[in-house]
Amino acid sequence: NAGVTQTPKFQVLKTGQSMTLQCAQDMNHNSMYWYRQDPGMGLRLIYYSASEGTTDKGEVPNGYNVSRLNKREFSLRLESAAPSQTSVYFCASGGVEKLFFGSGTQLSVL
Amino acid sequence: GESVGLHLPTLSVQEGDNSIINCAYSNSASDYFIWYKQESGKGPQFIIDIRSNMDKRQGQRVTVLLNKTVKHLSLQIAATQPGDSAVYFCAEKIGHNAGNMLTFGGGTRLMVKP
Repeated sequence: NAGVTQTPKFQVLKTGQSMTLQCAQDMNHNSMYWYRQDPGMGLRLIYYSASEGTTDKGEVPNGYNVSRLNKREFSLRLESAAPSQTSVYFCASGGVEKLFFGSGTQLSVL
Repeated sequence: GESVGLHLPTLSVQEGDNSIINCAYSNSASDYFIWYKQESGKGPQFIIDIRSNMDKRQGQRVTVLLNKTVKHLSLQIAATQPGDSAVYFCAEKIGHNAGNMLTFGGGTRLMVKP
């Protein structure tokens, strides 16, 4: 049982480049989430998807887009990366309460 | 258990001792609380949760206490082991919809000395 799988684990981008972070879950959860974690801080919600076909903004959505491709997959896209987007990104899935997290993507934007 | 800027509060305990990690939450309307453990290089891992209609809940070696009067949450770890070394986050939530966001605290680093 893989749980929540994120790819890639590490990425370095130049300012202005684009990329997509992939996330898949095999727990048949309806809800999926993208968070970012900055040094010494808790997690902040970027976007979430309550169910297949729906997406909504979280606390810090600017500069990001998401796609809920199907029930299993929820991707996060940076169209034009900025140094302020250097962070560790976590995908999560779950019900209305307990969330299960992936192992994270460490992104550096130079 | 509050974080200040980039510096995580750190709790250092001797192996075998009990640990108490504290968290002050912000919203008196929050009705659900969770503790997560995050080891270096990994995602947060669920430890234990509690609803606001309870003031104590016990798991295996862990106990969560909730004091709604002062908006305070604590995580107690009995007989702390080296494997307990990690950053611990509390999170609060209002309501039971997917759109009701979990709000995370800044975290506390637990270091267990052998």
